[in-house]
Amino acid sequence: ETGVTQSPTHLIKTRGQQVTLRCSSQSGHNTVSWYQQALGQGPQFIFQYYREEENGRGNFPPRFSGLQFPNYSSELNVNALELDDSALYLCASSAAAGYEQYFGPGTRLTVT
Amino acid sequence: GESVGLHLPTLSVQEGDNSIINCAYSNSASDYFIWYKQESGKGPQFIIDIRSNMDKRQGQRVTVLLNKTVKHLSLQIAATQPGDSAVYFCAENRDNFNKFYFGSGTKLNVKP
Repeated sequence: ETGVTQSPTHLIKTRGQQVTLRCSSQSGHNTVSWYQQALGQGPQFIFQYYREEENGRGNFPPRFSGLQFPNYSSELNVNALELDDSALYLCASSAAAGYEQYFGPGTRLTVT
Repeated sequence: GESVGLHLPTLSVQEGDNSIINCAYSNSASDYFIWYKQESGKGPQFIIDIRSNMDKRQGQRVTVLLNKTVKHLSLQIAATQPGDSAVYFCAENRDNFNKFYFGSGTKLNVKP
């Protein structure tokens, strides 16, 4: 078990709604990355936060946004949900860029 | 676009045999690689990593080999056990910001 936790475990939303997912990084880790994993696919990088600043972004639209707090926990916000947003959302933390990255258990989001 | 891919989507082995999971990457600038194991309903679990200045690294029952000439990575699991059954991903880091690119995974089935 890693020290990375995510909440909620599962979530069902309706198309057009907004959602906030939460992640607590492993103790001592100041870098948090978010990934989207569609069924049967590998995780796709959304963005990364380092010391409360966005530090790299993947090919996701602006309706995917995030925050990192002083305690290095993080939120992923998705506006105007679409059916294709249904996926497992994973948070990963590391001590710094270029170091081992550990994942949380994920939040399963279903958009209907 | 450039991507990380896997040669075999499914691998079936007998319990006690050795397993080899392969991964090809296309970006010669990639300098850090991680193998992850993902069981159903869980987040990816760190197995072993390797940097581009190495060609081999060993862990407990696992060995990762890196061939930069042909841009190929492999994960060897010795004495495969039923608990090793999972999907295995290689992840490639192309910069210093922990932005990892994942392949689609290889499913390992261990037959008792």
